Amino acid sequence: EIVMTQSPATLSVSPGERATLSCRASQSVSSNLAWYQQKPGQAPRLLIYDASTRATGIPARFSGRGSGTEFTLTISSLQSEDFAVYYCQQYNNWPLTFGGGTKVEIK
Amino acid sequence: EVQLVESGGGLVKPGGSLRLSCAASGFTFSSYSINWVRQAPGTGLEWVSAISSSGDSISYADSVKGRFTISRDNAKNSLYLQMDSLRAEDTAVYYCARELFGSGARPYDYWGQGTLVTVSS
Repeated sequence: EIVMTQSPATLSVSPGERATLSCRASQSVSSNLAWYQQKPGQAPRLLIYDASTRATGIPARFSGRGSGTEFTLTISSLQSEDFAVYYCQQYNNWPLTFGGGTKVEIK
Repeated sequence: EVQLVESGGGLVKPGGSLRLSCAASGFTFSSYSINWVRQAPGTGLEWVSAISSSGDSISYADSVKGRFTISRDNAKNSLYLQMDSLRAEDTAVYYCARELFGSGARPYDYWGQGTLVTVSS
């Protein structure tokens, strides 16, 4: 099983600042990596897939980079609605696995 | 509008069974692979099971293999998860999620609102 490790667990950021979230895979997942956003009481929402492709309707301030084992999600200028938990997921190998999440909170 | 609506959750005793359903609308259900993903209270996401568009390819997480059975009825635009021999650690919100169109495993572009399963005596 591929283990996905996200860091940091919590990121404190002021509105308007840049946030960079990391996701590391225990073995190569090529570019088969997605990022999701989840707010309390809601289902996750797909932000990025294939490591760097924004999903439909996702603002340009969200960007993804990486391949192999190292990936980042960057939110260029945090808006109030961006404070949430973010998960990465690999879909290169079964079983599909998620990272433990990064909570982005207001500083 | 794409919609996925789960139902069937509830309180069940350890060792018991439950059948979850996911009703789909707003898209050609028979063209998409669908997955179940769960989230235990206060924790992260765990993939549970996947079924291909035709139902001929199925995968399970090791944690549920042999106890859970995924199935679908394309004529009824519905997905199911039969859960047997339930354990306390199966307590979670269960989401059905549609895979992005394409070959191989794909991420999920639409999710249901989730249904809570609680396993407790």
